[in-house]
Amino acid sequence: EPEVTQTPSHQVTQMGQEVILRCVPISNHLYFYWYRQILGQKVEFLVSFYNNEISEKSEIFDDQFSVERPDGSNFTLKIRSTKLEDSAMYFCASSGRLETQYFGPGTRLLVL
Amino acid sequence: RKEVEQDPGPFNVPEGATVAFNCTYSNSASQSFFWYRQDCRKEPKLLMSVYSSGNEDGRFTAQLNRASQYISLLIRDSKLSDSATYLCVVNPLGGATNKLIFGTGTLLAVQP
Repeated sequence: EPEVTQTPSHQVTQMGQEVILRCVPISNHLYFYWYRQILGQKVEFLVSFYNNEISEKSEIFDDQFSVERPDGSNFTLKIRSTKLEDSAMYFCASSGRLETQYFGPGTRLLVL
Repeated sequence: RKEVEQDPGPFNVPEGATVAFNCTYSNSASQSFFWYRQDCRKEPKLLMSVYSSGNEDGRFTAQLNRASQYISLLIRDSKLSDSATYLCVVNPLGGATNKLIFGTGTLLAVQP
C-alpha cells in the first residue's frame, strides 16, 4: 500500500538554526500539506501546496517557514531560524483527486 | 467557540462495550467531515469519512447532524486494539486543496 514517508524521524537543533524537514508524498498525489502537533495539543494546519505554489497557509506559517517541491518526488518544509516554540511533531500529508489526506509518520523536532 | 470541539475523555471501557464519541463544529458551512484515529506519538490515520445519511464500517458507525453541527462515532464490541485517540476532523470548504481542522481528540482506553 502506498504511503507518505518523512525524514528524519527525529531532529534536535539549536535555537536560531535552520532545519529542513523532508517528505515523499504518495506518488500520484497532487496536493501536499504540512501540519504540526505540539506535545499534548491538537494537530494544526500549516500550509497546503498545489501546482507548485502555496494554496493556503495559516497564521503559524510566518516568514520563517517555507515549502518547496525541489523535484518530482520530494516536498520540504524549511524553518529558517528555529525558536523554542517550534518544537513539535511535524506531519506531511498528501491527497489525490479525492479529498482524503494521508499522513506521514512525522518528524519530531526539538529546539534547544 | 472552538472550531471543532470534543470531549477529551479519557473513556475507560471494558472489552465488548459500546462507546460513543461526540463532536461539534462551529462553521455551519463546513463541507466534509472525518474521524481519524491517532495512536500515541503516531500520525493520524483515517478511520472513516462521515456522510449526511450516516455510514457504517464494520463495528464503526458515524453520524452527521448538519442542523445541530454535530458529528458522532459509535464503536460496538470494543477491542483492546481500539485503544487510541479519536480525532474529529472538519474540512470547512471541502475539496482536496483545503486544510483539515482537527479537534483535540477523545482518548479511549479499552480494558481487558
